[in-house]
Amino acid sequence: AQSVTQLDSQVPVFEEAPVELRCNYSSSVSVYLFWYVQYPNQGLQLLLKYLSGSTLVKGINGFEAEFNKSQTSFHLRKPSVHISDTAEYFCAVIRRGGYQKVTFGTGTKLQVIP
Amino acid sequence: NAGVTQTPKFQVLKTGQSMTLQCAQDMNHNSMYWYRQDPGMGLRLIYYSASEGTTDKGEVPNGYNVSRLNKREFSLRLESAAPSQTSVYFCASSERAEESSNSPLHFGNGTRLTVT
Repeated sequence: AQSVTQLDSQVPVFEEAPVELRCNYSSSVSVYLFWYVQYPNQGLQLLLKYLSGSTLVKGINGFEAEFNKSQTSFHLRKPSVHISDTAEYFCAVIRRGGYQKVTFGTGTKLQVIP
Repeated sequence: NAGVTQTPKFQVLKTGQSMTLQCAQDMNHNSMYWYRQDPGMGLRLIYYSASEGTTDKGEVPNGYNVSRLNKREFSLRLESAAPSQTSVYFCASSERAEESSNSPLHFGNGTRLTVT
């Protein structure tokens, strides 16, 4: 079985400052990794995903994430946040091969302060 | 593009009442899922349907039943609601669930259920 840990439940950051949301995972086999974003009163939307290849993955809205296999991490970053980035962000993992269920982290609420 | 549509958006039930949450997707996806979201717990899978005609339990199936009515529709039923089922329920779908398990999930906007 796999697990996902999001170390910060809330991250306040000033507008135009950089941000990093941390995600660590545990799995005995190779995985696919995802970040989803949830805006207030909406469902989750895919932000980006790592399947294979380059460890730096670019997503929508200027976000990017770096897969680090040795540290089993997939941290999400943005160099300059905007008010509209205020949302909850979920890291998710799924094992490669066969049918597997997605495992989600507990979420990190990003609050952008004007 | 409608994507994944859930009804109702809000519902208040008394303990012991029953109800069905409806979900439909128009993306021709094979797999559909029901999650519940509770503060500090992320999303937990209740039931899923890997393909039309199949359903399986997820992490927290107790107190729920599901029906995969056809490829488009996947409903979640609470037979006798309890306060512990107060939550936000999300339906999701994905393209395929078998060998290439990298299909992202597409979510509906949720049903906010309160059981008093």
